[in-house]
Amino acid sequence: ETAVFQTPNYHVTQVGNEVSFNCKQTLGHDTMYWYKQDSKKLLKIMFSYNNKQLIVNETVPRRFSPQSSDKAHLNLRIKSVEPEDSAVYLCASRTGTGGAETLYFGSGTRLTVL
Amino acid sequence: GEKVEQHQSTLSVREGDSAVINCTYTDTASSYFPWYKQEAGKSLHFVIDIRSNVDRKQSQRLTVLLDKKAKRFSLHITATQPEDSAIYFCAASPSNTGYQNFYFGKGTSLTVIP
Repeated sequence: ETAVFQTPNYHVTQVGNEVSFNCKQTLGHDTMYWYKQDSKKLLKIMFSYNNKQLIVNETVPRRFSPQSSDKAHLNLRIKSVEPEDSAVYLCASRTGTGGAETLYFGSGTRLTVL
Repeated sequence: GEKVEQHQSTLSVREGDSAVINCTYTDTASSYFPWYKQEAGKSLHFVIDIRSNVDRKQSQRLTVLLDKKAKRFSLHITATQPEDSAIYFCAASPSNTGYQNFYFGKGTSLTVIP
């Protein structure tokens, strides 16, 4: 049963535009993530957000920024998209109790940059 | 940081046979090892995990083995069925990050031939 909701499912845009993707989890989890999955299915962590603490993968370009209004929401904004941003963006969450608990993934947002 | 290697990019088995997917990791602090399945056009969902306090865990047709000495873990699927066809990702999560970080392998595409 889906408990991590992402919108939109697909987005097509042109180079230089700004895009924003939404993610909401209804699991009561404390930690949320954004992952990028490229065309070869490689998964790369972009951000994790826990208790208002943001952890950024230092290889993520500055045009990417996460936005959170509360612990159930973590949106992703891309300021000026580039062709290499075409990918599937996966949102995930997990409980932040400090124990070993798994990630729950959303269905993904497929971005195509023309 | 942790590096997870998933050595087989593809694996084909006949229906009813067993499949084994192997992963290695580098960080001795890693102590939580989940596996995820990604079916065509879908997102990742959790299938089974193992914690470092045990070396074997079974759930129905799935078994995970963990060899901490060799820093190796594997997913065994018995009596494979066509619906097992998917990409399987292994991951490792270090305890010294509070299990915040998940490092994924590159995925193994399993095809079960009817």
